[in-house]
Amino acid sequence: QSVLTQPPSVSAAPGQKVTISCSGSSSNIGNNYVSWYQQLPGTAPKLLIYDNNKRPSGIPDRFSGSKSGTSATLGITGLQTGDEADYYCGTWDSSLSALDVVFGGGTKLTVL
Amino acid sequence: EVQLVESGGGLVKPGGSLRLSCAASGFTFSSYSMNWVRQAPGKGLEWVSSISSSSSYIYYADSVKGRFTISRDNAKNSLYLQMNSLRAEDTAVYYCAMSMMTNAFDIWGQGTMVTVSS
Repeated sequence: QSVLTQPPSVSAAPGQKVTISCSGSSSNIGNNYVSWYQQLPGTAPKLLIYDNNKRPSGIPDRFSGSKSGTSATLGITGLQTGDEADYYCGTWDSSLSALDVVFGGGTKLTVL
Repeated sequence: EVQLVESGGGLVKPGGSLRLSCAASGFTFSSYSMNWVRQAPGKGLEWVSSISSSSSYIYYADSVKGRFTISRDNAKNSLYLQMNSLRAEDTAVYYCAMSMMTNAFDIWGQGTMVTVSS
């Protein structure tokens, strides 16, 4: 059972927009920055969003992030078949020993 | 080019030990904290352990505390994970990851597979 809760799957048609939610608590999302990762099949995760809503160099502006209270959301517009992947949210959790890193269970995006 | 390359994975029996390595290149290894993250087959990401740049601060997930030991050799630009008393549930791809330009994991290795089975 993951500390952060994500929907197992989402789907949308090419060109459409999709959002992926990530729910936590005051000990994690509520008081820490959230990051988002994309994992294409058979590859290592790749950072998409950090500090809730910032994109690393090279990440297109089709990808966006937001945070409100103890929840965060990843948005993807102009969906492409190449966006089919697993997406994970991550943050720190201060309720456990020190400051542990926690991830959501992941959301599989299908582009229909 | 910044690169992290893991090695040392393989098949080990329950109760056995394995030592993973992560070779870093393309940056000043001694300046950065390093991490291990694992992913069981068909499952999500799980943070395993972190170590600060000078090894002063070390953290473990509760699931591996007392069994795994993280360490680094800054002279060799290498990160290690000594895994003892391995269990079937430790079966996973183990990734070496770091925060270089952001405060998230922006650099990842390709991963090394560890299988714990009799």
